[in-house]
Formats: sequence, C-alpha cells, structure tokens
Amino acid sequence: DIVMTQSPDSLAVSLGETATINCKSSESVFFSSNNKSYLAWYQQKAGQPPKLLFYLASTRESGVPDRFSGSGSGTDFTLTISRLQAEDVAVYYCQQYYLTPQTFGQGTKVEI
Amino acid sequence: EVQLVQSGGGLIQPGGSLRLTCAVSGFPVSSNYMTWVRQAPGKGLEWVSMIYSGGSTHYADSVKGRFTISRDNSKNTLYLQMNSLRSEDTAVYYCATFRLIVAFDKWGQGTLVTVSS
Repeated sequence: DIVMTQSPDSLAVSLGETATINCKSSESVFFSSNNKSYLAWYQQKAGQPPKLLFYLASTRESGVPDRFSGSGSGTDFTLTISRLQAEDVAVYYCQQYYLTPQTFGQGTKVEI
Repeated sequence: EVQLVQSGGGLIQPGGSLRLTCAVSGFPVSSNYMTWVRQAPGKGLEWVSMIYSGGSTHYADSVKGRFTISRDNSKNTLYLQMNSLRSEDTAVYYCATFRLIVAFDKWGQGTLVTVSS
C-alpha cells in the first residue's frame, strides 16, 4: 500500500497569516498518460464529514475559497491556506487515489 | 442535488453483525464507484471498501472476509454488511462517491458503530 505522511501533525497560525501543510507519498502517484498526480486534499471540521478541497493535486473543488491552494507532483505535495480565518480551523487530510487502497495521511490539525 | 443519507449504526456486541445503509439521491448508484471510509474515535480516516460501477469489490485487509459491500440498484442504495465485529471496528462510518478524476467528492453524514459488551 502507498503510505501517506503529513507534516506537521498540528500547527497554530495567527488570523490572517499563512498555514502550510506538507504531504509525502511513499511512491509516486503521477499518471504519465495524462501528466496528473492523483492526490486529493480534504478538510474535516469537528463533527462533520470530510469535505473535498482539491483533486489532481491542484484543482480546486467548486466553492472552495481561493485562499486555499494545492501544489506538488509525484511524491511531494503542499496545501497552503493564506489569510487564515477562524472558519479554517479543522483537520486536513491528503489522500492518494492512484492505487487501491486509496490511503489517507494521518491528518494535520490547524488551530488559531 | 446529490445526497447520501446514512442509517444503521448503533451499539453491538463483539462477534455480532450490523448492516449500514447509504441511500443515494441525485444519481444512479449503479453508475458510480461507491466507497466506505471509517474514522475511529479521535483518529484519522481509513478506507474500508469500494464497489465499482461494474460490480467488482475491494476491501481493506482489516475487514476482508468479515465485511461485504453491495448495492440495490432498484432502491438506489449502498450497503455495508459487517459480520464478526471487533472492538477495533468501533468508528464513524462514512459512505462516499468516488470519481476516478475527482476522488471522494460527496459524503454521507456518517453513522457511529460501537462494538462493546
């Protein structure tokens, strides 16, 4: 199975500042046929199901604020939250969906 | 509008069985890949099972031989039959849609399964 490792496990960021979360896969999730990395990011607020933020590493899901950005390719990926707002407090997960099982990172808790 | 509405969780003794239901509206369940993901209390997300549009199924090693994913196309509903339950199966279980490009884009509200004597 592909192992997904996020860093850090948690971080505290001041309102209006930038949060950066890293995700590394144990093997490449890049599909050469379409030059895309099969990496997704999810946001999970307390008591709620996960919400898809990005797919194909950097494609923003409809309705996601442009303060959120996803980047990376192959094995190394980053989720960046600019101008952090109180509503962004959540746990963020990366996931590879290149191979079954579609494995998740352990999660990164973002606090103010 | 796409909606996934879950039911069927609860408290069950070790060794018991439970069936989770995910009622889908807004698209035919037969035309999509559908998946189950669980989250133990205070822990991260764990993929459990998937059923492809063609009907083939896949399972995490931790549940293989004990859990069965299925769907009823006439009821547009997804199921997870869980047998021989263990304490480590205690979790909130989510159903979700899986699209090959977009990943897990729609999720149910989750249902809590507690395995305890």
